[in-house]
Formats: sequence, C-alpha cells, structure tokens
Amino acid sequence: AQTVTQSQPEMSVQEAETVTLSCTYDTSESNYYLFWYKQPPSRQMILVIRQEAYKQQNATENRFSVNFQKAAKSFSLKISDSQLGDTAMYFCAFNSNYQLIWGAGTKLIIKP
Amino acid sequence: GAGVSQSPSNKVTEKGKDVELRCDPISGHTALYWYRQSLGQGLEFLIYFQGNSAPDKSGLPSDRFSAERTGGSVSTLTIQRTQQEDSAVYLCASSPKTGLTLVETQYFGPGTRLLVL
Repeated sequence: AQTVTQSQPEMSVQEAETVTLSCTYDTSESNYYLFWYKQPPSRQMILVIRQEAYKQQNATENRFSVNFQKAAKSFSLKISDSQLGDTAMYFCAFNSNYQLIWGAGTKLIIKP
Repeated sequence: GAGVSQSPSNKVTEKGKDVELRCDPISGHTALYWYRQSLGQGLEFLIYFQGNSAPDKSGLPSDRFSAERTGGSVSTLTIQRTQQEDSAVYLCASSPKTGLTLVETQYFGPGTRLLVL
C-alpha cells in the first residue's frame, strides 16, 4: 500500500527563521510525483511545490525548497525567511496516477 | 481567471436528510476530483472524473454517496440519509489534461463544511 507519513503534528517558529517540515512515503513505484500543499484557515488548499521523482534536482519556489531523498523515500519542505502568512496546515502528498495519497498534515505557526 | 468554486460554503443538516454539494471546476479542466477531509486529518479520495470516461468511484465510503458530472463540467456530490460520521469538509479539485506530464497538478476549491446533527 502507498502511504505518506508526516511525523510532526505541529511546529512553531519565529518570523524570519527557517523551518523544515518532514515527510516520508512508501511506494513500489519508480516514477511518481510528490507535492506540498498549504491549507490556511480559509480552507483553500494551495500548491506550494511539486517534485518529479525522476528528477534528481530538488525543486525550489522562491522561499520554499525541498530535500528529496529518493532512496530514503523522504521529501522534506524547507521554508526560509518565514513570514506570518506562512501560518497554515501543510500537507505532503504523493501520486503515481491521478489519486493523491495524503499525509495527516503539520500545523505550522509563525510567531511575530 | 476563476478558480474552482464550491457551494454551499457551509451546510448544516439533520441526520437522515439528503444533501447535495456542488463543484464548478476551472474552465477547460477535464479532470475533477472529490475528497473528504475529516477534522485534523489529511484528505481521503472519494471519486474521480476524466472527460467522458467512466468515473473511478473506488473511494466512495458507502452506497449512500454518489456523484455526477454533467456536460463534462459541473459536478454534484450527493449524500443520502446523512449520518453524523459524514460530518467533514468536502473538497473538490480539477486539473487539466495537457499530456505533457504523467501527473497534472490539482487545483482545489474552498470546500464545503458539512455538519450533520
């Protein structure tokens, strides 16, 4: 079975600090995609970053970057220079076809 | 351009009643997904529509749940004889079918929060 595990239910950091959210997954597939989505209190699920498993280079989107370790099946999200607007639930998700398999989420709180 | 929209935003109903939840995908997106998010949980896949193909209903939790997608656009998720355990946020997503990648990014609506009393 394909699973996604986020081991940090909640994290809290000061504004401007760097924070890393962990995600591990389990699959027998060789080609797949990994995603980080952000869900603020508005409930809108927003794509933060995506990584294609066949690409060795880690994806980067402005202050957001990933550390993708395919052999270890690890896909962590690093947020640099954190901002108050980054406060949200963060979900790691995996898919190899059209179904997204989701982790339980990490609640990230950015303190002023 | 307009994103995915869902209505109603919130719905309170009594146990045993039927409810209909609506999703308007992004114009031109051929794929549409329904997910359920229980409190403090990740998303649970319910159903997937792709163009005119038969939908993948493998995630529907019981025969009380059904969904339609008319004209390849708007979708309605219907829950019959609602139970308290149906209380959750129901999220809809859509994605294009560009054929450029194996997996397309899914774009989500704001969800419908359903409370069954």
